[in-house]
Amino acid sequence: EIVLTQSPGTLSLSPGERATLSCRASQTVSRSYLAWYQQRPGQAPRLLIYGATSRATGIPDRFSGSGSGTDFTLTIRRLEPEDFAVYYCQQYGSSPATFGQGTKVEIK
Amino acid sequence: QVQLQESGPGLLRPSETLSLTCSVSRGSISRYYWSWIRQPPGKGLEWIGSVSVTGSTNYNPSLKSRVTILIDRPNNQFSLNLTSVTAADTAVFYCASGVAGTFDSWGQGTAVTVSS
Repeated sequence: EIVLTQSPGTLSLSPGERATLSCRASQTVSRSYLAWYQQRPGQAPRLLIYGATSRATGIPDRFSGSGSGTDFTLTIRRLEPEDFAVYYCQQYGSSPATFGQGTKVEIK
Repeated sequence: QVQLQESGPGLLRPSETLSLTCSVSRGSISRYYWSWIRQPPGKGLEWIGSVSVTGSTNYNPSLKSRVTILIDRPNNQFSLNLTSVTAADTAVFYCASGVAGTFDSWGQGTAVTVSS
């Protein structure tokens, strides 16, 4: 199975700053089938990005995804208060689907 | 977007079988893929398995010997059975749906504790 490693584990930033989250795969993610999710405390995850770069319905354009092969990035252009949460990457190019361990974006 | 709601027991004894149901509303179950995902306390997400509208299934090999996912189209719901549970199965269980392997609709999650 493909192992996804996210870095950093925790990102301490202030509102208005730019956040850059990394997801590295143990092998090539087929067809860039890489998604990103946001999970706020006590809530279910929410799909942000699919296909490495496409925003899901209703997701603000301050969220963007990039990358291919084994290296992927989620960028949040200017952090809003509601963006402080845990973010997971997920690959669905090969079975079993797997998730990274998460990156927590916390208020500095 | 469809709405999903999990239901089932919150407490199980070791070796029992966990049975959960996900009810689908504001949309038809005759579309997409329907999945179960779990999250142990304070940990990350683990895909358990998925079922298609035709009833074909795909399971995580780590759980395959203990998992059954079924779709019930007339009642617009699908289910999860996980046999021989242990404390390691304690988690919040989510049902989810999507296309092509992503999960764009999620239930609120149901907490399951395995304890003697």
